Amino acid sequence: AQSVTQLDSQVPVFEEAPVELRCNYSSSVSVYLFWYVQYPNQGLQLLLKYLSGSTLVKGINGFEAEFNKSQTSFHLRKPSVHISDTAEYFCAVSAATGGFKTIFGAGTRLFVKA
Amino acid sequence: DTGVSQDPRHKITKRGQNVTFRCDPISEHNRLYWYRQTLGQGPEFLTYFQNEAQLEKSRLLSDRFSAERPKGSFSTLEIQRTEQGDSAMYLCASSLSGQGVLKQYFGPGTRLTVT
Repeated sequence: AQSVTQLDSQVPVFEEAPVELRCNYSSSVSVYLFWYVQYPNQGLQLLLKYLSGSTLVKGINGFEAEFNKSQTSFHLRKPSVHISDTAEYFCAVSAATGGFKTIFGAGTRLFVKA
Repeated sequence: DTGVSQDPRHKITKRGQNVTFRCDPISEHNRLYWYRQTLGQGPEFLTYFQNEAQLEKSRLLSDRFSAERPKGSFSTLEIQRTEQGDSAMYLCASSLSGQGVLKQYFGPGTRLTVT
């Protein structure tokens, strides 16, 4: 079984500042890792995913994430945030073989202040 | 590609009533997933279909819950004898079987409030 822990429930940050949203996972098998974003009254949108290979993954809207197998982490970063990045961010995991479901973390609310 | 749609977007019901939600996936997608998201939590997997076959059900899906996908296109999720604990956002997602969880497209959700 897999599980995901998002270490911060809320992250306030000023516009144009860098941000890191932290995610740790546990699994006894190889996994795929994801970050999703949820804007108010909208469905989840995939930001980026890690399947294999390079541990630094680039996604949409200037976000990137780094897979660290030894620390079982998959932190999300953006060097300069905008007001429009205010949203809920979910880290998620799925078994790499035969996985049919995605396990989500509890979410991190990113609040970008002017 | 018109995206995944869900109907209704909001539903308020009284405890004990039955409710049914509908999900229309992207037309060529043969996998369909249902998730439940309670306040302050991430989505939790409920069930998934490959075409019309329901291949997996979570323990979260009690006997009061039933999901169908009769023709392998749209799906319905019915909750019988609703309880206040059923209040949540119900999300539907779809994907191609070759991509599975790697490329799920989520609908906007149906928000259920049980009074």
